[in-house]
Amino acid sequence: DVKVTQSSRYLVKRTGEKVFLECVQDMDHENMFWYRQDPGLGLRLIYFSYDVKMKEKGDIPEGYSVSREKKERFSLILESASTNQTSMYLCASSFETGGLREQYFGPGTRLTVT
Amino acid sequence: QQQVKQSPQSLIVQKGGISIINCAYENTAFDYFPWYQQFPGKGPALLIAIRPDVSEKKEGRFTISFNKSAKQFSLHIMDSQPGDSATYFCAAEFTGANNLFFGTGTRLTVIP
Repeated sequence: DVKVTQSSRYLVKRTGEKVFLECVQDMDHENMFWYRQDPGLGLRLIYFSYDVKMKEKGDIPEGYSVSREKKERFSLILESASTNQTSMYLCASSFETGGLREQYFGPGTRLTVT
Repeated sequence: QQQVKQSPQSLIVQKGGISIINCAYENTAFDYFPWYQQFPGKGPALLIAIRPDVSEKKEGRFTISFNKSAKQFSLHIMDSQPGDSATYFCAAEFTGANNLFFGTGTRLTVIP
């Protein structure tokens, strides 16, 4: 069974703090993703990575950065947290098989910035 | 700009009824259309997916209908059960891309 784990289920941080969200997958997937999920807006892609040390901006990268030093680990960094970054953050990983790419999601981290 | 438009935002269906969720897209390069199901407290999980060379795909009580000319696809849940209560996301992707474009989600509630 593919497993994607996220370091925290719930996190409360103060405005201006630096925040690290960690994601680990155990299936040797090349691709990893960070999304944020907000009511009425669905899943919006922040960043993705298709290889170690490679990253691509998604739809809403402003205020975020990422790091992928090892294949299994993808970190999302909020350099200076703001209240509008209060959200559910979802990590996912994928590989391509038979032309169909399934994304496997972690359980999410609910971040509250006060 | 939302690449995939999904409706309705929420849906309430009686047990045993049919749930229908609709999605539309503009980019004709899309060639893979999955649906994801998300239960409260969990991440989304792939439910069923279709490629545009077929008009329908059925897996158990779940069916995707695909209309290439109208650039629309829909999820039908037959004999809906309370255990189907979840948020459903449609998505689209094209070959060569590494990311999915998700719809905004539909919260389905099936009442006993």
